[in-house]
Amino acid sequence: AQSVAQPEDQVNVAEGNPLTVKCTYSVSGNPYLFWYVQYPNRGLQFLLKYITGDNLVKGSYGFEAEFNKSQTSFHLKKPSALVSDSALYFCAVRPHGSSNTGKLIFGQGTTLQVKP
Amino acid sequence: NAGVTQTPKFRILKIGQSMTLQCTQDMNHNYMYWYRQDPGMGLKLIYYSVGAGITDKGEVPNGYNVSRSTTEDFPLRLELAAPSQTSVYFCASSYGGLNTEAFFGQGTRLTVV
Repeated sequence: AQSVAQPEDQVNVAEGNPLTVKCTYSVSGNPYLFWYVQYPNRGLQFLLKYITGDNLVKGSYGFEAEFNKSQTSFHLKKPSALVSDSALYFCAVRPHGSSNTGKLIFGQGTTLQVKP
Repeated sequence: NAGVTQTPKFRILKIGQSMTLQCTQDMNHNYMYWYRQDPGMGLKLIYYSVGAGITDKGEVPNGYNVSRSTTEDFPLRLELAAPSQTSVYFCASSYGGLNTEAFFGQGTRLTVV
């Protein structure tokens, strides 16, 4: 079965420190990978995506993510965390394949808490 | 820019009642989706559509129905509401193509009592 795993329910980091939110996936073929952020009582907002090419992709608000094919991972990173980065983060995968119709498969989400 | 608009934002239903969650997008996107979000469970796909007149089931379609008569609108119908349908519902759309990101509405918080 195709799936996405975010192994940490919550990540705590001090403001100014680097942050990493982990994501691994299990799909057939080469997937398209996405990160979304959700602030309280809001919908999901797109942060960044990996389609092809450079394994390090840069996105909104200073976030970046590294695609690692051998480890089937797509970890979200930021060099210096801000208190305003505190939110719920979702990793998602869209598998290739003729049977796919653009559906996104989501991980369960990771709450990022950045403390002053 | 309106993007994806969902109504209502909140609703309380009694068991057995029915309702329609409205979703409209103004980006001329072909693909539209309905997800439900339960705490600690991520988002689960209920139904999706790849264009007007075409709909298909996702992971958790039981108890729901959809229609797609226009490109813009993708309403979700709940028949005979049950407590298990208490959730936050998100509508999303994307232009199409597997490498395009989805845009989400702000959600509808539904409670069935």
